[in-house]
Amino acid sequence: NAGVTQTPKFQVLKTGQSMTLQCAQDMNHNSMYWYRQDPGMGLRLIYYSASEGTTDKGEVPNGYNVSRLNKREFSLRLESAAPSQTSVYFCASSEKGGWAKNIQYFGAGTRLSVL
Amino acid sequence: SQQGEEDPQALSIQEGENATMNCSYKTSINNLQWYRQNSGRGLVHLILIRSNEREKHSGRLRVTLDTSKKSSSLLITASRAADTASYFCATDATGNTGKLIFGQGTTLQVKP
Repeated sequence: NAGVTQTPKFQVLKTGQSMTLQCAQDMNHNSMYWYRQDPGMGLRLIYYSASEGTTDKGEVPNGYNVSRLNKREFSLRLESAAPSQTSVYFCASSEKGGWAKNIQYFGAGTRLSVL
Repeated sequence: SQQGEEDPQALSIQEGENATMNCSYKTSINNLQWYRQNSGRGLVHLILIRSNEREKHSGRLRVTLDTSKKSSSLLITASRAADTASYFCATDATGNTGKLIFGQGTTLQVKP
């Protein structure tokens, strides 16, 4: 049971570089999420996808784009990285409704440093 | 904006003692969840309490919910060193299309 898999685990970028964080889940969940976690800030939602083919902004979407490639995969792109985007990024998935009640399953995270 | 506010921010206890963490939130909710995060890892779901429930147990975990005060507490009984982690509450707000809003977390250290 892989659950939610994120790649890469670590990344160092220079200001202005671009990169895509990959996320895949094998639980057949409809909903997927991208969060960032900064010290003392908890998790903040960047973007989410309630179902295949839909994406919506979360609390902190500026500087990011997402693609829901198919039901399994949800990628996060930084077009021009800035030092303020140094953070730990988590992907999660869930199956809302019924007994599941939106319990989210998280990947191990990507630790990104922007110099 | 953060929905959940947790206190204390940090808690240090001896093995065998009980640990209590509190969470307050701002809006009406469908349910409230607690997650644990070990250092350097992703979050793991611990327990969910629905808005019409007042108390729930799972092993050594006890969660209470007071919707009139918009608050919840997580009690870990007979703590172990392996319980050392950060604990987050998360609210599934009414009409929020499935999104969770996380608190800032409580860091628990259990000393052997």
